[in-house]
Amino acid sequence: ETGVTQTPRHLVMGMTNKKSLKCEQHLGHNAMYWYKQSAKKPLELMFVYSLEERVENNSVPSRFSPECPNSSHLFLHLHTLQPEDSALYLCASSTGTTANSPLHFGNGTRLTVT
Amino acid sequence: QQPVQSPQAVILREGEDAVINCSSSKALYSVHWYRQKHGEAPVFLMILLKGGEQKGHDKISASFNEKKQQSSLYLTASQLSYSGTYFCGTVPYSGAGSYQLTFGKGTKLSVIP
Repeated sequence: ETGVTQTPRHLVMGMTNKKSLKCEQHLGHNAMYWYKQSAKKPLELMFVYSLEERVENNSVPSRFSPECPNSSHLFLHLHTLQPEDSALYLCASSTGTTANSPLHFGNGTRLTVT
Repeated sequence: QQPVQSPQAVILREGEDAVINCSSSKALYSVHWYRQKHGEAPVFLMILLKGGEQKGHDKISASFNEKKQQSSLYLTASQLSYSGTYFCGTVPYSGAGSYQLTFGKGTKLSVIP
């Protein structure tokens, strides 16, 4: 149990589908993150929310749309994805900025785009 | 720019020691270390917040050389449970107030009996 729960664990979707990834943290943290982990690539930061406000957006294509309705929940809405978007999507949370706060990761959603 | 980790992979026998290095081209404010086992979430190991700082718990420790812009992770008397991929993440001085944490590609550590 990591304190950060992601659902679903696995997702297969076609390029024309719309789906959403969900993340919930039970740690009372203020910041939540989406990271993408592809094979043989470093973890890539996608979005960061602090106190429900988006504070980082790392040039992510518009087919990925984040939503943070409250400090405990984070969603990643997906539409019209490409096969190269297949990856492990990790949610994380922290108490403050990453300068001095560790990240607590969820187990991830393994996404396959067909 | 992402930090560079070395080696990319290492195989150890139980009880052997290992060092994993993480180098950056930017002046660093802090360095994070995480371990990820196959099919699991990355797990936080430690943060080093200022140059010269050293930390450790159990038989895993790390150092941060601010002048050389690098950090090293030391695994002593390795155990089977140490197997996994180790990632360093860096925060540059220019990003000290942000949420940016840039990860290296990882070092795959395998400990065999």
